[in-house]
Amino acid sequence: QVQLVQSGAEVKKPGASVKVSCKASGYTFTSYGISWVRQAPGQGLEWMGWISAYNGNTNYAQKLQGRVTMTTDTSTSTAYMELRSLRSDDTAVYYCARDPPDYYERVLYFDYWGQGTLVTVSS
Amino acid sequence: DIQMTQSPSSLSASVGDRVTITCRASQGIRNDLGWYQQKPGKAPKRLIYAASSLQSGVPSRFSGSGSGTEFTLTISSLQPEDFATYYCLQHNSYPRTFGQGTKLEIK
Repeated sequence: QVQLVQSGAEVKKPGASVKVSCKASGYTFTSYGISWVRQAPGQGLEWMGWISAYNGNTNYAQKLQGRVTMTTDTSTSTAYMELRSLRSDDTAVYYCARDPPDYYERVLYFDYWGQGTLVTVSS
Repeated sequence: DIQMTQSPSSLSASVGDRVTITCRASQGIRNDLGWYQQKPGKAPKRLIYAASSLQSGVPSRFSGSGSGTEFTLTISSLQPEDFATYYCLQHNSYPRTFGQGTKLEIK
């Protein structure tokens, strides 16, 4: 069965960086991509960006350009999201979700999600 | 960027009621849309994919319709476990975009 398992909660100081992992199992990792989504306390869902697990191509949300880097390790079927220069408004739960490249069957988009990783930014 | 305008932002309803939530896309997205239910402290759970296809295991009281720019999620007879927040999500293009969410509360 498909699973996305994320790393544990993090507490960081303003200006620091955080790297969240998302380990995939139950499917061919390199045939899909991963999107990262975050949710600030009491707020809605915000898409952060996407990475192809096939070739590492990325597409980032404009507001995060320059601060976010998404990578994959195909040997361990793991995706990573690193966010730098953290601010208090980066405090959120961060989710990974399976998001295939274009032209896949619609049933396969955002069908599986990780359990979420709470990142708290506080001095 | 494609904007997804979801309404209402909140809704108060009773068990057994029929409710409808709407998402409008700022440009056509074919049927590249999913509906998600989120409960506090949990990851979103997909209810509907391809705008109108019911996710396996989801009760048939949930249904979706629409194509292009107008989409609706209908719950035909609310059950106590349906009180949650609902989001639409378009995956037609990048950036992916969510509706603002609809919080469904018990009247």
